[in-house]
This record gives sequence, structure tokens and C-alpha cells, in this order.
Amino acid sequence: KNEVEQSPQNLTAQEGEFITINCSYSVGISALHWLQQHPGGGIVSLFMLSSGKKKHGRLIATINIQEKHSSLHITASHPRDSAVYICAVRRSGSGGGADGLTFGKGTHLIIQP
Amino acid sequence: GAGVSQSPSNKVTEKGKDVELRCDPISGHTALYWYRQSLGQGLEFLIYFQGNSAPDKSGLPSDRFSAERTGGSVSTLTIQRTQQEDSAVYLCASSLRENYGYTFGSGTRLTVV
Repeated sequence: KNEVEQSPQNLTAQEGEFITINCSYSVGISALHWLQQHPGGGIVSLFMLSSGKKKHGRLIATINIQEKHSSLHITASHPRDSAVYICAVRRSGSGGGADGLTFGKGTHLIIQP
Repeated sequence: GAGVSQSPSNKVTEKGKDVELRCDPISGHTALYWYRQSLGQGLEFLIYFQGNSAPDKSGLPSDRFSAERTGGSVSTLTIQRTQQEDSAVYLCASSLRENYGYTFGSGTRLTVV
């Protein structure tokens, strides 16, 4: 079982819909990241969370440390939001790979006009 | 510079040759990470540098892989005796210090033929 699980793997929605992408993890973490990767493009860091909720424009990220779960929401979705959204965690502690991120497999989002 | 710069953007090499990939992080960022993304696979952590501390090399897949960071700035990832399974996009990221938000470079697409 992967340490970071995302759902859904693929999501197609109509423009304007409210989008939710979920991330569950099974290890202790010091931070959780949401990343965006456009086809053929680089990776953009959207949020880094260790508790609560963050909002940036139409994007909202929440995390529940007790339940080891985070969600990324997109309000009023637009075709330009089409991308792969990746959840990644930084494990608690250091060394043994904990300093780097452990990634989910990503959610491929398509927003149709 | 304003962002994380990686070079070359694309590299095609023959099996068995050595390659060097370069990462120029954002000035002042003490933390530098190398990741790779193989075709159809998720991102995986390779190595982490933090200031003058010994790097966390636990993600390097074999002893053919090595990395150094000179003067706390530019980093090079070296792959010796490349194999076809080394074909991937190699991504560098930096952050102001550990547990801060990341900025990713646009990656080096390595193809071993």
C-alpha cells in the first residue's frame, strides 16, 4: 500500500463545477504539499499545509491531521485548471528519505468547456 | 535568478555513457532536492541538500547515481554508465529552508538509447 493515496485517479468535469480531490496518508508528517503539473510542463507548488485550511484564489486546501487526510477544492472550475494535481507529504523526522517528499500518483483533472 | 534553472532541458545519450545534469536554485535557498519522474510513474525522491549538512542520499537508486552541491548553490546530478531504465524527467527543487514551500525547475528530460 502506498504511503500517499489520492482519489480519484481521473476526474472529468464541466466548466463551473466544484472540484474536490482527496489525499490520504499513512505516515506521520510535518507538512503536506499540493502540486500542479500541466501536460509537458513543470510542477508548480500550490500549497504547503501543516494544519487547518489555506485559500488562494479559487483554490482551497484543507488538512485533518488526526484523520491523516487532506482535500484540494477548486471553485468555479475552468478549462485552464486541467492538469495533474499531486499530493505529497514530508514525513516527520529526518534522514532515510524523510527529508524529501513522498508523492501520491496524482489526479488527472480535465475540465470541459 | 527568479526561478530554479535546470540544464540541459533535454538530453539524449547512449547506453553506457555518463551524464551530468545541472540545477541552479533560487539564490538564498538553502534546501535543494532532486526528484525523478519516470514515464507513467509518480515522482520519487533522489537526494536532499540542506546548507552545509551531509546530504540525504537515501533515495538514490544505485551507486551509479551521485550528486554534489558546490558552495551551497549549484548542484550537479551525475549518472554513470547510463541504462535505459534511467530514462526519466529529472526535477530539481529548492526552498528557503527545510519545511518551506518548494519551487521546482522545469526539469531535464533524459533519454537513454
